[in-house]
Amino acid sequence: NAGVTQTPKFQVLKTGQSMTLQCAQDMNHEYMSWYRQDPGMGLRLIHYSVGAGITDQGEVPNGYNVSRSTTEDFPLRLLSAAPSQTSVYFCASSYQAGSTDTQYFGPGTRLTVL
Amino acid sequence: GDSVTQMEGPVTLSEEAFLTINCTYTATGYPSLFWYVQYPGEGLQLLLKATKADDKGSNKGFEATYRKETTSFHLEKGSVQVSDSAVYFCALKHGGSQGNLIFGKGTKLSVKP
Repeated sequence: NAGVTQTPKFQVLKTGQSMTLQCAQDMNHEYMSWYRQDPGMGLRLIHYSVGAGITDQGEVPNGYNVSRSTTEDFPLRLLSAAPSQTSVYFCASSYQAGSTDTQYFGPGTRLTVL
Repeated sequence: GDSVTQMEGPVTLSEEAFLTINCTYTATGYPSLFWYVQYPGEGLQLLLKATKADDKGSNKGFEATYRKETTSFHLEKGSVQVSDSAVYFCALKHGGSQGNLIFGKGTKLSVKP
């Protein structure tokens, strides 16, 4: 049981480039989400999904796309990277979206956009 | 909207000192409350949680009580260790379509030998 895995761990992009951050979980969790962590800002929700085929926007969705074709995978796409997207990105999952369901976090991807 | 406020850090303590990290929240309804810990270079790990008023969450010597009357969920530990050095995040969570964590900004704790 690997939990929540993320790849890559580190990435450097140039402005305007595109890339996909991968996230997978092997716990059969319905709920998955993406957060970004910036100094002094805590974690802010980008997008989330309550099940395969269902996605929705969080607090800071601009510049990011997601899809959920399987229960296990929830990739985050940057279509045209900007320096403001330099951040640490965390994927998380929980059994469902219930208030008592614990969210489990991946190890993070540190992204730098030059 | 809902929000979580944590005490500003960084907090620096000597080993075996008593720790309190204050957390207050603003929320409609009855959310669950969480403390997560982030060790250097790692992701977030659940430290403890409480799902209803007057519940006490505890783990690894840390405790926090869900106080509805003061809308607080302060984190305490009686004797900190160097290994407790980390960033601590308070968070709240509703269920259903609003089942997303809302985080405070985090409090960095450094424990000196």
